[in-house]
Amino acid sequence: NAGVMQNPRHLVRRRGQEARLRCSPVKGHSHVYWYRQLPEEGLKFMVYLQKENIIDESGMPKERFSAEFPKEGPSILRIQQVVRGDSAAYFCASSPTYINVGTNEKLFFGSGTQLSVL
Amino acid sequence: DQQVKQNSPSLSVQEGRISILNCDYTNSMFDYFLWYKKYPAEGPTFLISISSIKDKNEDGRFTVFLNKSAKHLSLHIVPSQPGDSAVYFCAASRNRDDKIIFGKGTRLHILP
Repeated sequence: NAGVMQNPRHLVRRRGQEARLRCSPVKGHSHVYWYRQLPEEGLKFMVYLQKENIIDESGMPKERFSAEFPKEGPSILRIQQVVRGDSAAYFCASSPTYINVGTNEKLFFGSGTQLSVL
Repeated sequence: DQQVKQNSPSLSVQEGRISILNCDYTNSMFDYFLWYKKYPAEGPTFLISISSIKDKNEDGRFTVFLNKSAKHLSLHIVPSQPGDSAVYFCAASRNRDDKIIFGKGTRLHILP
């Protein structure tokens, strides 16, 4: 009964390289969220996906960042041409349904991927 | 635009005493509130939640209070234990909007 699995735990990239972060949600969960935590900051919402669909990407930077959640396989957060400012902890979370009043639904988080850009 | 604010970056409390963590929000459309706890090098874990139709929810040593008119909620931990030392995030969401907005967190230190 695995929880949210993120890999790798640590990722080191040089400026200009690509970073690919993977997230396998809790089995049976069809909703995935990506958050970013910069040093000394809270969790910033990036994107919300359901299977094969991006529902809300209002927190995603307009360039270089993309996310997908294919029908089969993990969700991927991709950062192209990384810069030092992309260094952060990236957390994935999943839920079975909408987070909705009265349902007591909640997000289940993975342990995160710490991205370091040299 | 910080919609969920935790104005105390850190808090130190003696073991056995009550810990009170505060949170303010600006968006009056929020109607579901959650607290998460985070240890270093781990993801946040859900602690307790409350919907806007209630003003209090209790679960063991943890109680969350909601004051809608003041747009304020608080988390009470009593008695505080060493294992409670962690970062606590306040979070909120709107009905029919599935995005959960988090505050910056408060680091709680339980002193022996």
